[in-house]
Amino acid sequence: EVQLVESGGGLVKPGGSLRLSCAASGFTFSTYTMNWVRQAPGKGLEWVASISYIDNFIHYADSVKGRFTVSRDNAKNSLSLQMKSLRAEDTAVYYCASLGFGFDYWGMGTLVTVSS
Amino acid sequence: DIQMTQSPSSLSASVGDRVTISCRASQSIGSFLHWYQQKPGKAPKLLIYAASSLESGVPSRFSGSRSGTDYTLTIGSLQPEDFATYYCQQTYSTLYTFGPGTEVDIK
Repeated sequence: EVQLVESGGGLVKPGGSLRLSCAASGFTFSTYTMNWVRQAPGKGLEWVASISYIDNFIHYADSVKGRFTVSRDNAKNSLSLQMKSLRAEDTAVYYCASLGFGFDYWGMGTLVTVSS
Repeated sequence: DIQMTQSPSSLSASVGDRVTISCRASQSIGSFLHWYQQKPGKAPKLLIYAASSLESGVPSRFSGSRSGTDYTLTIGSLQPEDFATYYCQQTYSTLYTFGPGTEVDIK
């Protein structure tokens, strides 16, 4: 059974940092492009970042470029999102998702709240 | 960046109704268009990939079609479990944009 489990969310002050993790199991993680998608309270889905399976291609949404860093450890079947200079508008549920034909597997999400 | 628009933003329908949701891309994206269903408090679920291919396990009342840069999600006969928000998404460019969503609620 495919599982993606996010962790690391919580309450952080504006300007602070947080690192999210996503543990993958049940599929060949090393052969999938992985993504972070977020959803602010009551809002729609926003793609945040992607990292290809061979680590050579990393892309970010303009809203997070220069502040967020996505990385992966294929040996540990793990995806990470390092978030810095956090703003109130980064408050959201953050999901990790695998790219097959579309984003075929999703985790349950982890909530990040940026507030003083 | 490729922009995705959806219409309507919300609709009210009854069980058994045929429902269509539209999505338009700001430029050509071929068949790199996917549809998701999201229920409150849950992660999105892939319904249709590559514009018209049904994801495994998704009921056949869901279908997708394409005409140029216009895409349509059709629910053939709305069921109680289909009340949710539906999003389109393009993966043609490496900035994988989602549409703003269409909320389907009970009339």
